[in-house]
Amino acid sequence: GAVVSQHPSWVICKSGTSVKIECRSLDFQATTMFWYRQFPKQSLMLMATSNEGSKATYEQGVEKDKFLINHASLTLSTLTVTSAHPEDSSFYICSAGTRGRGEQYFGPGTRLTVT
Amino acid sequence: DAKTTQPNSMESNEEEPVHLPCNHSTISGTDYIHWYRQLPSQGPEYVIHGLTSNVNNRMASLAIAEDRKSSTLILHRATLRDAAVYYCILFGNAGNMLTFGGGTRLMVKP
Repeated sequence: GAVVSQHPSWVICKSGTSVKIECRSLDFQATTMFWYRQFPKQSLMLMATSNEGSKATYEQGVEKDKFLINHASLTLSTLTVTSAHPEDSSFYICSAGTRGRGEQYFGPGTRLTVT
Repeated sequence: DAKTTQPNSMESNEEEPVHLPCNHSTISGTDYIHWYRQLPSQGPEYVIHGLTSNVNNRMASLAIAEDRKSSTLILHRATLRDAAVYYCILFGNAGNMLTFGGGTRLMVKP
C-alpha cells in the first residue's frame, strides 16, 4: 500500500504557541488529504478535508482560524494549530487518497501535548 | 450518512478464526463497505473493501450478505498482532469522506 508520513510524531508545546504538523504522501500523488483528531479511547473525528490548490473544507465545530490547513502540493499538507491550549492536546492523524475512491492511506499520527 | 453498527469488543484465541460483524441496514446501492483497523497509537490501516461480492485478500476476507444490510470481516487465523480496533465504514462514490464509528476492539488471547 501507499505510504504516508507525518512529522513530528510527537510534540510538546506551551499554551499560546503554534505548532505545525506535516503530512506527506511518499509514493503517490494525493488529490485529497484529510485531517482527523482522536481523543483517548475515542474514535477518529474528521476535522477537515484538504484539496490540493484550493481551500480546505472544515467540519462543523472546527475553527478554521485555529486549525490552519495548507495543501500546497499533491504530496504535502500541513496543519497548524495556532494559539494552542491544553484542550487541543490530542492525537492528530492525516490521510491521503484519491477523489472518489474509498481507500485512504493514513499517516502514523502526531501526538500533541499542550502544557 | 448511512451508519454502521458494530459490537464494542470481541475476544478471540490466537490462531483461531475471528468473525467481526457489521450491520448497515440503511446502506444505499452505491455504498462500498470498507474495513480499516487501528493498532494502538497508530494511524488506521486499510484492510479490505467490497460492494456486493465476497472479497479476499492477504489480510482478510469480507463476506457481504445478499441484501447488503450486513457484512462480516473474517480473519482466518488471529495472531496477537491482530489485536486492534476494527472499523466498518460505508463509502459512497458521490462523497469523499470516511466517517468512523465506534469500531470493535478485538482482543486476542495467547
